[in-house]
Amino acid sequence: DADVTQTPRNRITKTGKRIMLECSQTKGHDRMYWYRQDPGLGLRLIYYSFDVKDINKGEISDGYSVSRQAQAKFSLSLESAIPNQTALYFCATSDLASNQPQHFGDGTRLSIL
Amino acid sequence: KQEVTQIPAALSVPEGENLVLNCSFTDSAIYNLQWFRQDPGKGLTSLLLIQSSQREQTSGRLNASLDKSSGRSTLYIAASQPGDSATYLCAVPLSGNTPLVFGKGTRLSVIA
Repeated sequence: DADVTQTPRNRITKTGKRIMLECSQTKGHDRMYWYRQDPGLGLRLIYYSFDVKDINKGEISDGYSVSRQAQAKFSLSLESAIPNQTALYFCATSDLASNQPQHFGDGTRLSIL
Repeated sequence: KQEVTQIPAALSVPEGENLVLNCSFTDSAIYNLQWFRQDPGKGLTSLLLIQSSQREQTSGRLNASLDKSSGRSTLYIAASQPGDSATYLCAVPLSGNTPLVFGKGTRLSVIA
C-alpha cells in the first residue's frame, strides 16, 4: 500500500460544483501539504498544515480551503470550481523531527469543464 | 521571495552519456536542497537531499552538488539509461525545513 494515498485519482466535473480531494498517509508525519502542478508553471503550494490544529496559506490559496481532520488526513476543497483550477493536484507529507524529505502521493488529475 | 530556476527545460541524450542538470536559487539562505524525479502521471520521488552544510550527496549513479554562495546546485547522472527518462525537479524550503519552492523541472529523455 502507498504511504500517501490520494482520492480520487481522476475527476471531471462542471464549473460551479463543490469538489473535495482527499489525502491520507500512513507515515505518521505531522506535516502535510497540498500543491498543484500546471504545465509551464511547475508545482505551487496551496495550503500546508504542521499539525492537526495548524493551517497555513500557501502561494495560491484563493478559491481553495482545507481541513485537517486527523494527523493522517488532509482534504482540499474547491467550493465553487472554475476552469482555471484544472490541474494535477499533489498531497505531500514530511517529518521535520527526522529531517526526511517530503513524500508525495500519485496525484489527482482534476478537470473543470 | 525565493525563486528556483532549472536549465535546461528539456534535454535529450543518447544512452551511456554522462549529463548535468542545473538548478539555481535566488536566496542563498537555504536550509537544504532536494532533487526529485517525476515519472509521467506519477507523483514525485525524492532522489537526494543536501543539507546546507554539505557540498554534495551521492546515490548510485547520481551525484548532487551544492554551492550556496553562488546559489547553484547540479545533478550529475553518470552512464545514463533509458530508465532515467523523467522530469527532474529541484526544490528548496521557504524557511526552516519546509515548505518547498520548486523549480519547473528538466524533462530528460535518454535514447536507446
